[in-house]
Amino acid sequence: SQQGEEDPQALSIQEGENATMNCSYKTSINNLQWYRQNSGRGLVHLILIRSNEREKHSGRLRVTLDTSKKSSSLLITASRAADTASYFCATDAGSNFGNEKLTFGTGTRLTIIP
Amino acid sequence: NAGVTQTPKFQVLKTGQSMTLQCAQDMNHEYMSWYRQDPGMGLRLIHYSVGAGITDQGEVPNGYNVSRSTTEDFPLRLLSAAPSQTSVYFCASSYSGHGRILNTEAFFGQGTRLTVV
Repeated sequence: SQQGEEDPQALSIQEGENATMNCSYKTSINNLQWYRQNSGRGLVHLILIRSNEREKHSGRLRVTLDTSKKSSSLLITASRAADTASYFCATDAGSNFGNEKLTFGTGTRLTIIP
Repeated sequence: NAGVTQTPKFQVLKTGQSMTLQCAQDMNHEYMSWYRQDPGMGLRLIHYSVGAGITDQGEVPNGYNVSRSTTEDFPLRLLSAAPSQTSVYFCASSYSGHGRILNTEAFFGQGTRLTVV
């Protein structure tokens, strides 16, 4: 079964609005990452947040992590048409040294309406 | 740097045929992995490698073989293709350094779209 689950599965907003998507995971982690995938392309890394961090910013991206609730959120501010893509969270949950696995969620499909 | 290169980009196979999906990276990354992506399923880990000569199974390894004879290359072999293996396959690599391998970002190839008929 998937380690991470994104919510919502799909999101449509007007250009200029903020977009928030959430990720829940099942077991303890060392870090959590967010990736973007444009249609038909490979995944591109957006941001990594470690388990001892609560919030991280990168440009228009803001990521929060709540390890007590096993959840993370990705906020994209002032959305643009180019932000239309699928967004995935990924965790190293279940890994130990020598047995590292990066496990992805099912993704949120974000559509920005011009 | 070319990053992670996957070949071919598209492939159609008949049931029972075998083939190898190629993956090469030029970043000297120790960690490499293969995923398959199906609609509504996200990415599922097939096999991964923490360095040359070392491979291990992921979530969905059945029907696939891998080997890692060099740092640069990590081919994925389909032994006897089945329609259930119709999917988009992604190869990824990461730098491991001296710490935990998954503390850094993964770089992905552009994918191989495989159809088994």
